[in-house]
Amino acid sequence: QQQVKQSPQSLIVQKGGISIINCAYENTAFDYFPWYQQFPGKGPALLIAIRPDVSEKKEGRFTISFNKSAKQFSLHIMDSQPGDSATYFCAASRGGATNKLIFGTGTLLAVQP
Amino acid sequence: GAGVSQSPSNKVTEKGKDVELRCDPISGHTALYWYRQSLGQGLEFLIYFQGNSAPDKSGLPSDRFSAERTGGSVSTLTIQRTQQEDSAVYLCASRRTSGGGETQYFGPGTRLLVL
Repeated sequence: QQQVKQSPQSLIVQKGGISIINCAYENTAFDYFPWYQQFPGKGPALLIAIRPDVSEKKEGRFTISFNKSAKQFSLHIMDSQPGDSATYFCAASRGGATNKLIFGTGTLLAVQP
Repeated sequence: GAGVSQSPSNKVTEKGKDVELRCDPISGHTALYWYRQSLGQGLEFLIYFQGNSAPDKSGLPSDRFSAERTGGSVSTLTIQRTQQEDSAVYLCASRRTSGGGETQYFGPGTRLLVL
């Protein structure tokens, strides 16, 4: 059972455009929703995260939009740059001792110059 | 400061052999996780260590997989009698639990290829 579904699988955006990646979750007990960025040969690195008590969080060019009733959240990358080309993973976890992350399957983003 | 380190970076082994993968977490991080990333897939949780508590082994795929964490720091993931389907990137992450730290910091991973 895939608890976090991510789309699209891949995305091509022109430089300066907006990249949008979507995720949907099933478990209403989830209370922490991070996005990770991964470059080839590297481990994932936290990009931005949100909790369900807010509907939007912005950090620089990166914004998370969160819709609790629809159980969906998305990552928006404004003014996309070639350096943003990477794989992006959404994830979710629920409070408790473990806080293990349940990851989506990833989106390969290519920003064309 | 130093991040999470893992060794070896790459490991090629023959089917049926045992392998050991090492993780050095960020100093002071009491929580440690192992995840597996198969080609084209997301990350799959394997095991979690927190201080002296019993580990959460709920993600280990079979009894061929085991892990330990010595002295609350370094961790070793062992895969016995490796199979070709074990080929993946094994990622370690650590987290500061004091002060409500939530962020998991990942190492670069060990790329395991079972021939």
